Order: sequence, then C-alpha cells, then structure tokens
Amino acid sequence: DGGITQSPKYLFRKEGQNVTLSCEQNLNHDAMYWYRQDPGQGLRLIYYSQIVNDFQKGDIAEGYSVSREKKESFPLTVTSAQKNPTAFYLCASRTTVGLAGGPYNEQFFGPGTRLTVL
Amino acid sequence: SQQGEEDPQALSIQEGENATMNCSYKTSINNLQWYRQNSGRGLVHLILIRSNEREKHSGRLRVTLDTSKKSSSLLITASRAADTASYFCATDRKAAGNKLTFGGGTRVLVKP
Repeated sequence: DGGITQSPKYLFRKEGQNVTLSCEQNLNHDAMYWYRQDPGQGLRLIYYSQIVNDFQKGDIAEGYSVSREKKESFPLTVTSAQKNPTAFYLCASRTTVGLAGGPYNEQFFGPGTRLTVL
Repeated sequence: SQQGEEDPQALSIQEGENATMNCSYKTSINNLQWYRQNSGRGLVHLILIRSNEREKHSGRLRVTLDTSKKSSSLLITASRAADTASYFCATDRKAAGNKLTFGGGTRVLVKP
C-alpha cells in the first residue's frame, strides 16, 4: 500500500447523509486519483488532481466532490446525490518513473475504504 | 465498455500450473500495465510493457503485447497459493493525458 493511507477502512452511512473519505500520501506525488470499485468489477475513475488547487472530473463524477488544498491530501465527499454509493473506494497517487526507453506513469494505491449505505 | 477488457473473468488452477489471462483494448496506447489486487486491498503494480515492445519478463511473470490485435497477455508460471488475487490490466492511452484506464480484472484462485 506504499505511503498512501485511507481512512476509515469501513464506513457506514445513512441514506441522505454526506460522508467524506480521507486520502493522505507522503510520497511527494503531484497527481492523485479516486476510483470506485464494485464487487467483482474493475476500477472506475471518479475524480483526479494533477496539482494542488486543481482537479478534474473522471468518468463517474456525479454525486461526488473533491478538494485539493494540500499536496498530501485529496479527500472525497460522497454526497446524498449519489444514488448508489455502496462500493469500495480506492485512492491512488502517481509518479513518473524514468527508465531506459522513456518515462512512464505508475500509480500507487491506498488500502481502500469500504462504504456501505444502510 | 471499458478500454481494457480481460478474460477469463475467473480462473482456478492447481499450484504449480501456469495461469494465463488476456486483456484487449480499443485505442492506441503509450504502454500497458498489469496490477495485482489481493482481496479487499489496494492495487500493486506488477509489470509494464511499452507500445513498441512485444514481450517482457519479470521473475515468474511474462507479458506479451500485440498492438495489431490490441491485446496483451499475462502469464504467471509455476503458480503458488500466494498468487491468488485479482489481476488488472491498465492502459496508458495517448489521448488520455495522465490517466490509466483499468479493465474488469481476472480473479485467479490457486489451489494448494
């Protein structure tokens, strides 16, 4: 799980409530990402941020919001507008690795937060 | 559908056997990466293959890439029970900036 922490590990929410998932990294990476994973499925991109004070919508941003006030932190808020929020949420940061043949982007993932709506 | 689609969705093998999984994609890529996910955990980077490469090896892992067919395969040789996990391909597309697009994954069960 590298130098990325997510909290809490498990989160329960009542319908109609907003909840915020924490993601912190000490890897000094500029870019950070939030993904959603449903059971037995792949990852879908919610939001990403390539630099402090800037972020972009991913493929499934509706019902979610983010902020990037510090390089180390990229919290995700799941709002009441998200109709089916029960899922596993993964945060990642990105570094550029220099190799013979040219650099490439590699993502490092946190351990995830499992959100359940009651 | 997603950029990366994997098959099979699930694979069950005996320890010592080889495990092969495939990934297909739709648009031009800079590189293709494979990640591993243990149950309920984050993903871990395994290996990368660039668009101008055809085969890469890393320990018991062998990755191939066929850009004409827009497909890649991951082979795990001499599998161990500890290889039980989900494996995802991720494409770094030329038109997608600095984002990776993940496939649906292959769940591998290695029975002791």
